[in-house]
Amino acid sequence: DAGVIQSPRHEVTEMGQEVTLRCKPISGHNSLFWYRQTMMRGLELLIYFNNNVPIDDSGMPEDRFSAKMPNASFSTLKIQPSEPRDSAVYFCASILGPRESGGELFFGEGSRLTVL
Amino acid sequence: AQSVTQLDSHVSVSEGTPVLLRCNYSSSYSPSLFWYVQHPNKGLQLLLKYTSAATLVKGINGFEAEFKKSETSFHLTKPSAHMSDAAEYFCVVGGGFQKLVFGTGTRLLVSP
Repeated sequence: DAGVIQSPRHEVTEMGQEVTLRCKPISGHNSLFWYRQTMMRGLELLIYFNNNVPIDDSGMPEDRFSAKMPNASFSTLKIQPSEPRDSAVYFCASILGPRESGGELFFGEGSRLTVL
Repeated sequence: AQSVTQLDSHVSVSEGTPVLLRCNYSSSYSPSLFWYVQHPNKGLQLLLKYTSAATLVKGINGFEAEFKKSETSFHLTKPSAHMSDAAEYFCVVGGGFQKLVFGTGTRLLVSP
C-alpha cells in the first residue's frame, strides 16, 4: 500500500481565499483523523471520522473549518475564508479499527499551508 | 483525563552515545503508550507501543522503552545514537475511550 496520501504538499494562498486539503487513507482503514501542527501549539486533533461518520469535531477551531468524508477512500478539510493564523502543517492519519482500539496511527506526509 | 509530559524539549548527544528521551504520563485508565518519530518535512511514524503486555517494549531502529507504573514513566532509550536518529520524538498516551494525547515533542540532535 502507498500509505496515507495527502495533497497538496504545499499551498500558499492569500487571506480570504478558500483552501481545500485532501486525504486518501490506507485501504481498509476505517478511522481517519485530521491534525494540525504548529510551533506554538504542537499537534492538535481537529476531527475524527469512524466509518466515514464524524465522531469528534471538538477540535475544529471555528466555523471557517469544515471536513467531509464522502466515502472510505477520501476526505477533505476545507478552510473558508482562510486567515494567516491558519498557517500550519495539516496531517491526515488513518487507523485500522476505531480510535479506542489502541492501534497504530499511520500519518501522511502533511500539507504545509501558508496564508499570506 | 489523560496527559503526557515530555521533560526535555531538546536533547543533544554525540554519535555512538546512548539516547534517553523522558516521558511521564497521567491516566485514569490502564493506558496505551506510544512513541512516534517525525523526521523533517515528514509525517509521524510509530516507533513502538505499550499495551499492557511486556513492560519493556522494543521498537524499530534499536529503540526501546520501559513502562514503569510506579513512576508513571515511559522513557525512550537507545544504546548508541546514529546520525539518522536526529528527529523529533513524540510520546503519546491513549486508551479505553480516550483520545490520543500527544506530548509537545523532544528534538533529538546528534553530532558527529
